[in-house]
Amino acid sequence: GENVEQHPSTLSVQEGDSAVIKCTYSDSASNYFPWYKQELGKGPQLIIDIRSNVGEKKDQRIAVTLNKTAKHFSLHITETQPEDSAVYFCAASRGSQGNLIFGKGTKLSVKP
Amino acid sequence: DTGVSQDPRHKITKRGQNVTFRCDPISEHNRLYWYRQTLGQGPEFLTYFQNEAQLEKSRLLSDRFSAERPKGSFSTLEIQRTEQGDSAMYLCASSLVVASTNEKLFFGSGTQLSVL
Repeated sequence: GENVEQHPSTLSVQEGDSAVIKCTYSDSASNYFPWYKQELGKGPQLIIDIRSNVGEKKDQRIAVTLNKTAKHFSLHITETQPEDSAVYFCAASRGSQGNLIFGKGTKLSVKP
Repeated sequence: DTGVSQDPRHKITKRGQNVTFRCDPISEHNRLYWYRQTLGQGPEFLTYFQNEAQLEKSRLLSDRFSAERPKGSFSTLEIQRTEQGDSAMYLCASSLVVASTNEKLFFGSGTQLSVL
């Protein structure tokens, strides 16, 4: 079955710097890659996603890149702010075929 | 607030007791998922429904766990004879699947279960 590896497990940056989180997946049939942000005591919130027919997608300060050949995808946050502090999860699935497989998460701390 | 509602938010129970959680998905969503999340880990898939049909169950879902979605709207997850290892956050998510489009899952805030 699918396995998703996520790195780093913790990341600390200064406000205004960029943050990059990387994930690799094992199932070449996976074609949908969302990223979730989870704040303490809350459920995961979808922040951006990418499909396998696209190499890059951007939404304001957040961007995701996908390399299908290498089976890895990354989340890029620019101009980080303290409110970006949270745990971020990557995930992979076969799209409409079912459930998401999550990475173990990255705890991002943005220091003012 | 994603629109997915879970109740209760917290549940403390003694080992051996039965517990039941409820999830109300976003109203037009046809799929409903249950996930379990332990501290420091990502959510792990348990089971999902398309309308009222339970289409897939994970190996994590022992026979002490049962889920229902009787009318294709809200869902319940019951754990019988709880064990300390059942302590976790139980997350519900819903999605709208149309044709072959990729689905987006929207999660509720979860039910935190503590088994003493």
